[in-house]
Amino acid sequence: AQRVTQPEKLLSVFKGAPVELKCNYSYSGSPELFWYVQYSRQRLQLLLRHISRESIKGFTADLNKGETSFHLKKPFAQEEDSAMYYCALSGGSNYKLTFGKGTLLTVNP
Amino acid sequence: NAGVTQTPKFQVLKTGQSMTLQCAQDMNHEYMSWYRQDPGMGLRLIHYSVGAGITDQGEVPNGYNVSRSTTEDFPLRLLSAAPSQTSVYFCASSRPGTGGAGYTFGSGTRLTVV
Repeated sequence: AQRVTQPEKLLSVFKGAPVELKCNYSYSGSPELFWYVQYSRQRLQLLLRHISRESIKGFTADLNKGETSFHLKKPFAQEEDSAMYYCALSGGSNYKLTFGKGTLLTVNP
Repeated sequence: NAGVTQTPKFQVLKTGQSMTLQCAQDMNHEYMSWYRQDPGMGLRLIHYSVGAGITDQGEVPNGYNVSRSTTEDFPLRLLSAAPSQTSVYFCASSRPGTGGAGYTFGSGTRLTVV
């Protein structure tokens, strides 16, 4: 079975502060990990995937297989980063995407 | 290029009524899925399809039916609506081999069952 845990439902930071959204996963094989973002009342959009190891909108995420984690980080949060963030895992059958429960990030001015 | 189109955007049903949520994609994606989004629960997979004529259950399939007669369309049917089915429903499609990164989501259907 595959499972994704996002321990924080809500995260509030001030503009310019660092932000880290936590994600832990459970999967017996080699997973693909993703971060999706949903801005207010919009559809989900892919933010990052661990395979590409890229930085999007200043966000990065590193897959730590030892800790089974894929935390999302940004050194300086911006107000426009306020959104719901979902960590997701794709296992052996890559058409099945399992989501965590999401973390609502609020960046205060 | 429309991507994934869901209709309707909003719907109010009375308990016991039935309805079909429509989902269509124009990207020739083989994989299509239906998720429901509830506060504090994230997105949960209802049903999915790996191609025309092939469907399977996800995490929360009870009370829902699907069919996939064409590559483009993947309707979700509520057989007898219940208040517990009040949710936002998202349809998504993907091409084989792209994993989660290849998922394109629709804009959602907000359903209220009274």
